Amino acid sequence: DGGITQSPKYLFRKEGQNVTLSCEQNLNHDAMYWYRQDPGQGLRLIYYSQIVNDFQKGDIAEGYSVSREKKESFPLTVTSAQKNPTAFYLCASSKVEGTTEAFFGQGTRLTVV
Amino acid sequence: QKEVEQNSGPLSVPEGAIASLNCTYSDRGSQSFFWYRQYSGKSPELIMSIYSNGDKEDGRFTAQLNKASQYVSLLIRDSQPSDSATYLCAVIVPGGGNKLTFGTGTQLKVEL
Repeated sequence: DGGITQSPKYLFRKEGQNVTLSCEQNLNHDAMYWYRQDPGQGLRLIYYSQIVNDFQKGDIAEGYSVSREKKESFPLTVTSAQKNPTAFYLCASSKVEGTTEAFFGQGTRLTVV
Repeated sequence: QKEVEQNSGPLSVPEGAIASLNCTYSDRGSQSFFWYRQYSGKSPELIMSIYSNGDKEDGRFTAQLNKASQYVSLLIRDSQPSDSATYLCAVIVPGGGNKLTFGTGTQLKVEL
């Protein structure tokens, strides 16, 4: 089945640790996105990528890093510089031409302990 | 000015009524517009996309786009309790490499 897979579903981080969230898609989409959602809030864009080996900062990139070495994969690292990382993280992908609907993975809920 | 704006609600409608959700956007160059439904604790689910001025209907849902007014709306006919969710408006903003930007969402409550 085609789709977007995020892992893990739940993640616990100790203060000062870096953690990496996985996002893989087999939809042959060129564009991939990472969003953060806090309780009762909308989606805020962290990073996005339109093509392999290239990505752009979104509205809240500080404390996060990404890579796009393969078309299918767009991992997000939450670094220790991110002071308030507890949130629901969502990955999405889309085509860049024609019908550009984005589809989401199931999300990763990150909690700092 | 926010790139995509929505009224946060909650919007309450009785079962069987029409729910009307509204969204405005700031970049006149935007070409692609989407409505997502999000249940609490779940990821957003695409329900409508619209790319040209006018109306687009799919079952009980109708999306309306007015590029001159920079306005996109979603109508839900015969609202059901299962429609109770947060509805997110999203726009592809051409500046900065076609980034997909979301509004803060409108919470819809369909009451029995």
